[in-house]
Amino acid sequence: EVQLVESGGDLVQPGGSLRLSCVASGITFDKSGMSWFRQAPGKGLEWVANIHEDGNPKNYMDSVKGRFTVSRDNAKNSLYLQMNSLTADDTAVYYCARGRGWCDFWGQGTLVTVSS
Amino acid sequence: EIVLTQSPATLSLSPGERATLSCGASQTISNNYLAWYQHKPGLAPRPLIYGASTRATGIPDRFSGSVSGTDFTLTISRLEPEDFAVYYCQQYGSLPRTFGQGTKVEIK
Repeated sequence: EVQLVESGGDLVQPGGSLRLSCVASGITFDKSGMSWFRQAPGKGLEWVANIHEDGNPKNYMDSVKGRFTVSRDNAKNSLYLQMNSLTADDTAVYYCARGRGWCDFWGQGTLVTVSS
Repeated sequence: EIVLTQSPATLSLSPGERATLSCGASQTISNNYLAWYQHKPGLAPRPLIYGASTRATGIPDRFSGSVSGTDFTLTISRLEPEDFAVYYCQQYGSLPRTFGQGTKVEIK
């Protein structure tokens, strides 16, 4: 059974940082490109970033470039999203998913709330 | 950036009826790289269709996808109770990946 489990979501103040993790099981992680998506309250799905199975290339949506960094540790079957300089607009449920184009497996998400 | 416009915003139908959801792209999508997802509150998005018309693994054949130029369609031939949800189209032919704003299929 495939499982993608996100963690690290929390309440953080504007300007703060947070690191999300996603642990995968049931897939050949080191042969899988991966993506991060998010859904803000009351809004639709939004792509955030993706990363090749080897760790490069990495791609980002414009509004997070320079603030977010996607990375992975294939030895730990883990995907990460380092988020810096957070603003209220980053408040969302963040999902990890397998794939860099369409994604066939998704986690259930972790909630990030940016508020003072 | 490719803008995807979904219509209608909300579709009110009864179980057993046919649902037709539209997704229009602002420009040609390379290789018709468009996917459809079903999303219910609190759950992970569920992939339905990729490559405009190929069903993902385990998706019943009442779900079908088609394309004509830059207009994409998801059809649910006969709605089952579990099909009432929000549906999103997503293009992956170019960066940034983009989604439509979603169509909510609700029980009439």
